[in-house]
Amino acid sequence: QVQLVQSGAEVKKPGASVKVSCKASGYTFTIHNIHWARQAPGQSLEWMGWINLGIRSTKYSQNFRDRIAITGDTSANTVYMELSSLRSEDTAIYYCARTHDSGSWPGYWGQGTLVTVSS
Amino acid sequence: QSALTQPPSASGSPGQSVTISCTGTSSDVGAYNYVSWYQHHPGKAPKLIIYEVSKRPSGVPDRFSGSKSGNTASLTVSGLQADDEADYFCCSYAGGNNLYVFGTGTKVTVL
Repeated sequence: QVQLVQSGAEVKKPGASVKVSCKASGYTFTIHNIHWARQAPGQSLEWMGWINLGIRSTKYSQNFRDRIAITGDTSANTVYMELSSLRSEDTAIYYCARTHDSGSWPGYWGQGTLVTVSS
Repeated sequence: QSALTQPPSASGSPGQSVTISCTGTSSDVGAYNYVSWYQHHPGKAPKLIIYEVSKRPSGVPDRFSGSKSGNTASLTVSGLQADDEADYFCCSYAGGNNLYVFGTGTKVTVL
């Protein structure tokens, strides 16, 4: 079955970077895109971007374009999301999600990774 | 792009039905039939329960149904069960720079 397992919680200082991993299993890794989204405390989910692992292309939300990088390692079936220049407002649970079999919407989700930004 | 608007909470007794709305704009919900719904038990991975407005993935009971009218999509959970108590959020394709937009989330309580 499709599984997405994310890396553990992180605590970072303002100005630092964080890199969250998402290891996929149960399907052919390069066929489906991987989304990243986040949910800050008391806020709704926010779409951050995605990667097409077949052609190694990415698309980022304009809200993060200057600070985000999504990469994929096909040898490890793992996708990474790196967010730089962290500020307190980046404290959130970060999720990866694979596209659905029938279309590009999120179909299968990881369990989430809590990133806390605090001095 | 602003988040899609959902009521913060909804509730019903076991066996009853509850309907959750998801209101967007003519640029997202109203423009595309790519509305999906997710059930999220805190601490677990969200689960897809409706896609393309009204389709159910295999394994999702037909107690869950979706619809759309104009800029508002709706999720109905019929025959409420204790395990339906969870957070529910919608998602719509929006195109442009932010491909997807999510709802504000609704906490469903089974009384």
